[in-house]
Amino acid sequence: EDQVTQSPEALRLQEGESSSLNCSYTVSGLRGLFWYRQDPGKGPEFLFTLYSAGEEKEKERLKATLTKKESFLHITAPKPEDSATYLCAVQDAGGTSYGKLTFGQGTILTVHP
Amino acid sequence: DGGITQSPKYLFRKEGQNVTLSCEQNLNHDAMYWYRQDPGQGLRLIYYSQIVNDFQKGDIAEGYSVSREKKESFPLTVTSAQKNPTAFYLCASSLTGSVGTQYFGPGTRLLVL
Repeated sequence: EDQVTQSPEALRLQEGESSSLNCSYTVSGLRGLFWYRQDPGKGPEFLFTLYSAGEEKEKERLKATLTKKESFLHITAPKPEDSATYLCAVQDAGGTSYGKLTFGQGTILTVHP
Repeated sequence: DGGITQSPKYLFRKEGQNVTLSCEQNLNHDAMYWYRQDPGQGLRLIYYSQIVNDFQKGDIAEGYSVSREKKESFPLTVTSAQKNPTAFYLCASSLTGSVGTQYFGPGTRLLVL
């Protein structure tokens, strides 16, 4: 069974204070790892796709990295508008799990001005 | 504008009542998904469909039913067998070959009277 665990559950930062969110995963074979951002009361929005260990993707103040067992979402000099819940999800490469994602429980990020 | 819509935004269910949540997309996506989100538990997959007239159970399908008669529509019925239906329900769609890049609707919040 695929499993995704995110830590910490909640993270409070001051504006400009860089930090990282963690996503640990267990799959039989990884087809892809995905990061989403979710604002309160809204549906998630896609951020990044990572396919193989060593891969990195960047978008503004966010950078996602991938190893064989976990992914990190690095936030550099965050601003209050970066406050949201960040969700990690995996797609298993094989069997009946191919057509779906397994999500972690999310990390709630709050950035104070 | 292309997108995915869900209605209603809020829905109230009485004991023993079945209710249906609507999900429509005009993105020309073949695949559609239903998720349930509870506080602190991320997204859990209820049902998904990769093509018209076909759908598969997700991780928490008990007490729910779906149909996929048209490409654009994927309604979810919460039956009276679902004993704890209070949650935020999210519908999503994707291209069949891009399961990890899902587009989400705004969600329906279901409350029990």
